[in-house]
Amino acid sequence: EADIYQTPRYLVIGTGKKITLECSQTMGHDKMYWYQQDPGMELHLIHYSYGVNSTEKGDLSSESTVSRIRTEHFPLTLESARPSHTSQYLCASSSANYGYTFGSGTRLTVV
Amino acid sequence: AQSVTQLGSHVSVSEGALVLLRCNYSSSVPPYLFWYVQYPNQGLQLLLKYTTGATLVKGINGFEAEFKKSETSFHLTKPSAHMSDAAEYFCAVSDYTDKLIFGTGTRLQVFP
Repeated sequence: EADIYQTPRYLVIGTGKKITLECSQTMGHDKMYWYQQDPGMELHLIHYSYGVNSTEKGDLSSESTVSRIRTEHFPLTLESARPSHTSQYLCASSSANYGYTFGSGTRLTVV
Repeated sequence: AQSVTQLGSHVSVSEGALVLLRCNYSSSVPPYLFWYVQYPNQGLQLLLKYTTGATLVKGINGFEAEFKKSETSFHLTKPSAHMSDAAEYFCAVSDYTDKLIFGTGTRLQVFP
């Protein structure tokens, strides 16, 4: 039973399009994260948030942006998608008691 | 800065054989260490974690890992592999900030 939801699971989109990847959690966690995962490679932190109206860039530079207007919602937006953005994007949330919970990911392909 | 090194991007074992996945870490502060498993087209599932206390940590599905500070290692083991163990395994380290730093992953194949 997933407590963190990502939509869509798969997305194929043309170059130059604006896209938003959705992430929602029902656990009331303050901390949320976006990781980018290329095939056969480690996960890289691209954005994180420690609460409403708090967002920070992660260790890997990304052209995407995020917002945190509500505790449960942490969407990621690409204003103009490019083939170099093709990757899997994983959303996660965490709390001190329960650790990390990951979503199932969005596999993005930009053609 | 913290980092994780996973030795061996691919490991193959026979069903019933010992599974050993290697992880070494670098951390300037006492680390929190994790092993995650990822099945195809899925997110990450926590297998086990070390924070403080007992250095031998038991996780789900029969996996365990031992924190060895002197060797800066946190290797994952399972006495007897099962076909369902075939997946990608990630070692990760975090500090008090809660941000996870992942290794490059090890793909485990299990042959009948």
